[in-house]
Amino acid sequence: SQQGEEDPQALSIQEGENATMNCSYKTSINNLQWYRQNSGRGLVHLILIRSNEREKHSGRLRVTLDTSKKSSSLLITASRAADTASYFCATKDTGRRALTFGSGTRLQVQP
Amino acid sequence: NAGVTQTPKFQVLKTGQSMTLQCAQDMNHNSMYWYRQDPGMGLRLIYYSASEGTTDKGEVPNGYNVSRLNKREFSLRLESAAPSQTSVYFCASSESQAGGNTGELFFGEGSRLTVL
Repeated sequence: SQQGEEDPQALSIQEGENATMNCSYKTSINNLQWYRQNSGRGLVHLILIRSNEREKHSGRLRVTLDTSKKSSSLLITASRAADTASYFCATKDTGRRALTFGSGTRLQVQP
Repeated sequence: NAGVTQTPKFQVLKTGQSMTLQCAQDMNHNSMYWYRQDPGMGLRLIYYSASEGTTDKGEVPNGYNVSRLNKREFSLRLESAAPSQTSVYFCASSESQAGGNTGELFFGEGSRLTVL
């Protein structure tokens, strides 16, 4: 069963705008990770946030985690056409040995 | 440094045929994984290997078998392919983490399988 559920399923914005994607999950986690997938390619790790962290930054990426609401958000600032891709959250659930992935958000950045 | 290499990239099978997907990593990672990706369903874990010599079932193991041949290689076998196994298959690897945690996964480029 899916653990993380992303929202929205699809997002279309103009270059330069910010993109926000949300992820909700159901169980206790050790960490939450975000991945990017370009069309026809494998997934690439973007950022990891641990359960005791609330916010993390990496370049134009900002991730927040609210364990009380079992939710996370990924913000991409000043988006570029090259950011067009699908974005997945993945959780490391307590007691499981592998990551559980959500169904993803398809981001389209119009030039 | 090739990372995670999967073969073949594309394969068409007829129902009932068998095949093996190969995966190798050159990062000296202990843990390796097989996921499948279907439209609108994200990635689902088929099998994983926490370390050389061990394998465990994931969320959707039925119809598949795996072999952790050595630390580098983790293969996925379909003994009797079915149309429901049409999917994109991804192999991934990661370092072991303290406390049983799982860090960053490194993915291959995927193997696109069609079962007619």
